[in-house]
Amino acid sequence: GQSLEQPSEVTAVEGAIVQINCTYQTSGFYGLSWYQQHDGGAPTFLSYNALDGLEETGRFSSFLSRSDSYGYLLLQELQMKDSASYFCAVRDEATGGFKTIFGAGTRLFVKA
Amino acid sequence: ETGVTQTPRHLVMGMTNKKSLKCEQHLGHNAMYWYKQSAKKPLELMFVYSLEERVENNSVPSRFSPECPNSSHLFLHLHTLQPEDSALYLCASSQGKGQGYEKLFFGSGTQLSVL
Repeated sequence: GQSLEQPSEVTAVEGAIVQINCTYQTSGFYGLSWYQQHDGGAPTFLSYNALDGLEETGRFSSFLSRSDSYGYLLLQELQMKDSASYFCAVRDEATGGFKTIFGAGTRLFVKA
Repeated sequence: ETGVTQTPRHLVMGMTNKKSLKCEQHLGHNAMYWYKQSAKKPLELMFVYSLEERVENNSVPSRFSPECPNSSHLFLHLHTLQPEDSALYLCASSQGKGQGYEKLFFGSGTQLSVL
């Protein structure tokens, strides 16, 4: 089967660094993505890792270890506007790659 | 604005009604998706169309019927729904395989309530 595990909630203070972990199990792994969703809004793409290592995009970085079936999203210099839900997702190669499976999401609360 | 537009934003329907959700993408993508988002549950993939051909039907009940008349438009026809079908229905699009299809662009969704 396919499944992703991520914490349900994380709380951090403004200006801090927070790491959201994700472990996955898939029949055919093709890459790990991260999405952000504010309340009432659409999920928006943040990053994609197909290979091991760290990808940096501004204040956000994403890491992947395929041997450990593990990845994380790192948010630096937290701002209040970063309060949102964050979803990890995997592309399932077994279905030709069109099937993206999402985790249940991590709710991030940023406090002043 | 993500380039993916969904209508209506909110829909209330009875169990005997028939309604349709509409999605339009203005990004030149050739793959489109329907996802269901229920409270505190992962996004559930319902259907995938690539080049107007259905490539994924994720064991969805027949009371949900998708239609993709062209690469820019996607519909979800609803009939005889159940209260447990109440959820946020999200449409997404992407490039094709080998062209950046790992990046999904989502619409804002239709919040559906079935009474």
